[in-house]
Amino acid sequence: EAQVTQNPRYLITVTGKKLTVTCSQNMNHEYMSWYRQDPGLGLRQIYYSMNVEVTDKGDVPEGYKVSRKEKRNFPLILESPSPNQTSLYFCASSSQLPGPLGNYGYTFGSGTRLTVV
Amino acid sequence: SQQGEEDPQALSIQEGENATMNCSYKTSINNLQWYRQNSGRGLVHLILIRSNEREKHSGRLRVTLDTSKKSSSLLITASRAADTASYFCATDVDGLTFGKGTHLIIQP
Repeated sequence: EAQVTQNPRYLITVTGKKLTVTCSQNMNHEYMSWYRQDPGLGLRQIYYSMNVEVTDKGDVPEGYKVSRKEKRNFPLILESPSPNQTSLYFCASSSQLPGPLGNYGYTFGSGTRLTVV
Repeated sequence: SQQGEEDPQALSIQEGENATMNCSYKTSINNLQWYRQNSGRGLVHLILIRSNEREKHSGRLRVTLDTSKKSSSLLITASRAADTASYFCATDVDGLTFGKGTHLIIQP
């Protein structure tokens, strides 16, 4: 089944303890991205990647890191989590890069609910 | 930065009625997409309309796009209880930028 898999689904951690949220897609998609969703603010893009070893900042990159060493994986790293990073996180992928020729939607993972205390 | 803004923020209708949601955006776009999200779950892609298209249909969904007004609408016909969800428009410029969503409740 074509899907984007995020792990873990739920995570409670303490301030300052490094964590990684994994994201993997099995569709050979070029484009992958991370979003966070907060009440009243909607979804905001954290980072995105156009291809292996190509990553770029989205609208809210502060406090996050990503890597794209393989096409299928795009982990989100919080080096020193803080309570304001408590949120619902989504990974997404798409077969086409953003642009005027885009004709396909994004496939989203099921989400990771992170609580930082 | 927020690109799309959905209207209304919340909508409650009876099963069988049509539901219309609107989206306005600020800049030129490559395409506009609509997504559905059931409570706390991942987003599901519904339909994409390109900037050179004016109307698109998919099953009970009808999307319109007016680039001169920078607006789009999503119509769900003959609504069902299972359509209860949040609906988001997203504009594709350099990646997707989402609005804050319309929460749709279908009363049985």
